[in-house]
Amino acid sequence: SQTIHQWPATLVQPVGSPLSLECTVEGTSNPNLYWYRQAAGRGLQLLFYSVGIGQISSEVPQNLSASRPQDRQFILSSKKLLLSDSGFYLCAWNLQDYEQFFGPGTRLTVL
Amino acid sequence: AQTVTQSQPEMSVQEAETVTLSCTYDTSESNYYLFWYKQPPSRQMILVIRQEAYKQQNATENRFSVNFQKAAKSFSLKISDSQLGDTAMYFCAFRPGTYKYIFGTGTRLKVLA
Repeated sequence: SQTIHQWPATLVQPVGSPLSLECTVEGTSNPNLYWYRQAAGRGLQLLFYSVGIGQISSEVPQNLSASRPQDRQFILSSKKLLLSDSGFYLCAWNLQDYEQFFGPGTRLTVL
Repeated sequence: AQTVTQSQPEMSVQEAETVTLSCTYDTSESNYYLFWYKQPPSRQMILVIRQEAYKQQNATENRFSVNFQKAAKSFSLKISDSQLGDTAMYFCAFRPGTYKYIFGTGTRLKVLA
């Protein structure tokens, strides 16, 4: 069966510090991968998606970036965090089937 | 722009009663997929039900069913025999193309004992 992992689960970072969140999927090959941000009381905002290694589509211009160095690994990064980057970050995957499967999420607090 | 609107930020229902959550969307696509996801306090997103736009029959999963009105671009979720474990945030979403999913802002449902 397929599983999706995210780490860390919780992160507190100062403004201006770098960020690296990691997502890995097990039990499948060539998944589509997604990063979402969920601000407090808000819906899910699609940040990036990837349909293959090295292929990244950005949905919202901001100080975040994403990379896909391996087939089942998706990384969300920032060189300098802003207060507005605080939120709950969710990674998701899918194949040709149409529903997405979500990871457990990372709660990021920028102070 | 393709959007999803959930007009009910919060709702409550008595245990064992029925509740309906509303969702409308806007798209020019003719074929797409619709979903309802549940996010309990653990924040793990769980698929509740899905609907293909080309299917006229409304999807049903146990106590969960949808009322899909394609012409009206409406996709409501009905929860029958509500249980305490149904307390969660519910998100309506649709996929108009091949990859992108668009989510609504959610409805927080509280089931009362």
